[in-house]
Amino acid sequence: GAVVSQHPSRVICKSGTSVKIECRSLDFQATTMFWYRQFPKQSLMLMATSNEGSKATYEQGVEKDKFLINHASLTLSTLTVTSAHPEDSSFYICSARGGLAGGLYNEQFFGPGTRLTVL
Amino acid sequence: GQNIDQPTEMTATEGAIVQINCTYQTSGFNGLFWYQQHAGEAPTFLSYNVLDGLEEKGRFSSFLSRSKGYSYLLLKELQMKDSASYLCAVRESNDYKLSFGAGTTVTVRA
Repeated sequence: GAVVSQHPSRVICKSGTSVKIECRSLDFQATTMFWYRQFPKQSLMLMATSNEGSKATYEQGVEKDKFLINHASLTLSTLTVTSAHPEDSSFYICSARGGLAGGLYNEQFFGPGTRLTVL
Repeated sequence: GQNIDQPTEMTATEGAIVQINCTYQTSGFNGLFWYQQHAGEAPTFLSYNVLDGLEEKGRFSSFLSRSKGYSYLLLKELQMKDSASYLCAVRESNDYKLSFGAGTTVTVRA
């Protein structure tokens, strides 16, 4: 149980285009989903926290107009990178937590990540 | 803010023991997590500590001292598949957000 999927796993796009990444909790309802970005050999940096049916909360320094997050249901959150540029190339990972799936710790369950390359 | 420190790299031989230390200075504390991450993959949960002491889970154990802001992950009977990055993460409050250290890359050699 507690499986989180992401789609696509890899995407290459041209500079200036927009890319949408989906994060789904497959076997539980995710109360909260988190979006992270990870640059090579660096740790995960939290970008935003997404609660179903409400606006996402962005971390300091993350542009909310550039990284659009929609959490339309308890099993799906999407991250859209608008007008992507080469510096947006990174590994984007989502995670989800749900009261029942979190067990005793309410730990976050991570998706497999999306490798974005902007040319 | 938060400051979470762990060594960048460690190398050990197959069958040996390795201890990865993590020190943290955070405005609040509501649990410490250890995750394993293989290159290009998502992190997988290893352990959780919220009270002082040692938690043992098979070949992996994790220790916490809240007064010292210190934790370690102990990997015993190392196997080649244990070569990965190990991430220390602190949950500061009840909002479930995690702050991650930079990760320790462990290389297991035959």
